[in-house]
Parts: sequence; C-alpha cells; structure tokens
Amino acid sequence: GAVVSQHPSRVICKSGTSVKIECRSLDFQATTMFWYRQFPKQSLMLMATSNEGSKATYEQGVEKDKFLINHASLTLSTLTVTSAHPEDSSFYICSARYRGSYEQYFGPGTRLTVT
Amino acid sequence: AQSVTQLDSHVSVSEGTPVLLRCNYSSSYSPSLFWYVQHPNKGLQLLLKYTSAATLVKGINGFEAEFKKSETSFHLTKPSAHMSDAAEYFCVVSDPPPGTALIFGKGTTLSVSS
Repeated sequence: GAVVSQHPSRVICKSGTSVKIECRSLDFQATTMFWYRQFPKQSLMLMATSNEGSKATYEQGVEKDKFLINHASLTLSTLTVTSAHPEDSSFYICSARYRGSYEQYFGPGTRLTVT
Repeated sequence: AQSVTQLDSHVSVSEGTPVLLRCNYSSSYSPSLFWYVQHPNKGLQLLLKYTSAATLVKGINGFEAEFKKSETSFHLTKPSAHMSDAAEYFCVVSDPPPGTALIFGKGTTLSVSS
C-alpha cells in the first residue's frame, strides 16, 4: 500500500518551453503533497508543500511563478516548470502523505533535461 | 529549528562486514527520524522510522537504527553488508505534528566491495 507514481519518468524539453510533471497517490488520499528537487550527488531540497484545494507554500528562494504547483484532488498534484532553462535540469521527486501520518511516501522521480 | 548531520559523506566496506552510517540530529521537540535509501536514478525507499516508540528500530533488508536522545544520534547499522546495499543513504528528521516537512541530511554514499 501507499504507492506514489510520477509521470513522466524522463522528459527532455527545449529551452523556453513548459513541462508538466504529474504525481499521483494510487491507493490513498493524499491530503498533503510535497515537491523536492535533487541535483546530482546532492540531497533533496524541498521546493513546496501543497494541501489539497489550497495554494502551495513555497520554500524560500523557489520562484512560484516558474514552478507552478496544483493539487486539485486528493490523488493528484502537478508541477509545471514554465519557460524552462538548462539550469532547471534536475531530478524532481514528489511525496505524499495522508492525514495523521508521520510518513511521506515518495514517487520514483522525474528526470528533467532542458536543452 | 531542526537539522540533521550525516557525519560521513562516503563509507566503504567489504561484503560481509558490518555497516555503520552515522547521523546526528537537532530538534527542539521529540522528532520523528527516518532513514531512506536511494539507488542510482531511483526514488527513495524507506528503510526504517522512529516515532517515539521503541528506541531500537528494525527496518528492511537487515538494517536497524538506535535512537539515543542523550547523544542526539540515530545511527544506521547492518551486521553484514551485501553488494546490493551499495547506494545513497539519507537520514531525515521531522518535528511534530505529523506532516511537518522532512529535513534531509546531505547523504552518505555506501560502497561495498567484494
């Protein structure tokens, strides 16, 4: 149980375009979803936290107009990287939790490459 | 504010020998503590978690960790390393209430040689 999927697993896009990454909780209702970014050989950095039906809370230094997060349902959150640039290339990982849970359940990640 | 320090960026062991990955934390409350493992280009897998129950926590794949409040430590151990244990390991802390954001350590790369 508590499975989280991400789609796509890999995406290559051209500089200036936008790309959407989906995060789904497959067998539970995710009241909160989190988006992380991981650079090569580095730790995960929290980008934003989103509660279903509410606006996302972004961490300091994360551009909310560039990284659009939508958590429209209890099983789906999306991260849209707008006007992508090569420096946005990274591994993006989502996680989800259900109400009352200490644990976050992580998706398998999405490798974004901007050319 | 909470923080976590993984004391070794890289640990190398031989197959069949014990594994010790060290983690110290800082928290103003009674934190929840986790160890996650990440294989190359993969997502994170939870190895074990401490949430104020037994201080010695057993996880998957033979790993265990002991919560020591007096030392503010949560070291990860395994009696006998296997080649498949080679991966990146993250120590993670979270303050109550449930659902507070996770704070990740910088990670420890475990290498296992035959």
